[in-house]
Amino acid sequence: GIQVEQSPPDLILQEGANSTLRCNFSDSVNNLQWFHQNPWGQLINLFYIPSGTKQNGRLSATTVATERYSLLYISSSQTTDSGVYFCAVEWRYGNNRLAFGKGNQVVVIP
Amino acid sequence: DTGVSQNPRHKITKRGQNVTFRCDPISEHNRLYWYRQTLGQGPEFLTYFQNEAQLEKSRLLSDRFSAERPKGSFSTLEIQRTEQGDSAMYLCASSSQGFVEAFFGQGTRLTVV
Repeated sequence: GIQVEQSPPDLILQEGANSTLRCNFSDSVNNLQWFHQNPWGQLINLFYIPSGTKQNGRLSATTVATERYSLLYISSSQTTDSGVYFCAVEWRYGNNRLAFGKGNQVVVIP
Repeated sequence: DTGVSQNPRHKITKRGQNVTFRCDPISEHNRLYWYRQTLGQGPEFLTYFQNEAQLEKSRLLSDRFSAERPKGSFSTLEIQRTEQGDSAMYLCASSSQGFVEAFFGQGTRLTVV
């Protein structure tokens, strides 16, 4: 199978600060997604980004597939950004499933 | 379409009872997935359907677990003789065929007492 590692596991930010979350994966992937899990447990889609760079408001993401990592940038953080961020990948060589990392727990304090 | 829908949102059951969860995927999606998430962990794959065919099951899916998708639309996940270790969030996701974006429902949080 494929291994997914996210860092840092926990992050405390002052409101307005910027941050970078990292996702490393151990093999080639066809699909990579970033999610934000809200306090009620639902996974909210942030980016579908198997390669390249995308931006959506204060969030942006970059995946360098050849080097097996992805980065999620949060700029001008707000308290509503608090929660757990998950990276999930679909392994290129089978499985037809997403494999998740353990997540980045982010707390934004006012 | 309002996205992937799961019912119930919460379920508390006594150990040994059977429970059934329902997932309604996005209507044009032919792939449906079930995942389980325990506290402090990322979701773990349980099983996957393409239309009505169950194509893959994880080793996590013991004999007490069964999933169906009878007409290739909604799916049910049943747990028989629940155990305390079954307490978790059960998440359903759907996607179109191919390597494309998956969308998740709100989840069903199961507590076995």
